[in-house]
Amino acid sequence: EVQLVESGGGLVKPGGSLRLSCAASGFPFSSFTLNWVRQAPGKGLEWVSSIRDGPSGVHYTDSVKGRFTISRDNAKNSLFLQMNSLRVEDTAVYYCARGEAGRPFVYWGQGTLVTVSS
Amino acid sequence: AIQLAQSPSSLSASVGDRVTVTCRASQGIASALAWYQQKPGKAPRLLIYDASSLESGVPSRFTGSGSGTDFTLTISNLQPEDFATYYCQQFQSFPSFGQGTKLEIK
Repeated sequence: EVQLVESGGGLVKPGGSLRLSCAASGFPFSSFTLNWVRQAPGKGLEWVSSIRDGPSGVHYTDSVKGRFTISRDNAKNSLFLQMNSLRVEDTAVYYCARGEAGRPFVYWGQGTLVTVSS
Repeated sequence: AIQLAQSPSSLSASVGDRVTVTCRASQGIASALAWYQQKPGKAPRLLIYDASSLESGVPSRFTGSGSGTDFTLTISNLQPEDFATYYCQQFQSFPSFGQGTKLEIK
């Protein structure tokens, strides 16, 4: 059974940092593209970032470029999102989702809430 | 970036009704479109992929159609568990989502 479990969310002040993790199981982790998708309170879904195996396979939505860094540890079946210079508008539930380039997201985690507030 | 415009943003319907949600892409995306259902506090659930293919385990009352720029999701014989928010997503290029359609009980 495919499982994705996010952790690391919490309350942080504007300008602060947070590192999200996603622990994966039930599939060959290194073979798949992983994504972060977020949803602000009461709002729609927004793709944030994706990573394939290898440094050339990293992509970000424009609003987080230069502030967020996605990475993965294939040995530990884990996905990460380092979030720096956080803004109030980054407040959202962050989901980890499995999906190849050009394919939809079949598997999602339960999400972790990030709140950026003074 | 490819933008998706969903309509309506909300609609009310009754159990047993048939409803249709539309999604229009800002440029042609062939059949690279998916539909998701999301209930409060839960992650989205994939319903339809490649515009019209039903994901495993999804009831056949959900159907998708369209290609290019115009797509529809139709739910026939609405059931109580279908009242939720629906999103379209394109995966022709970097993923993007429609703004959502909230389906409420009339």
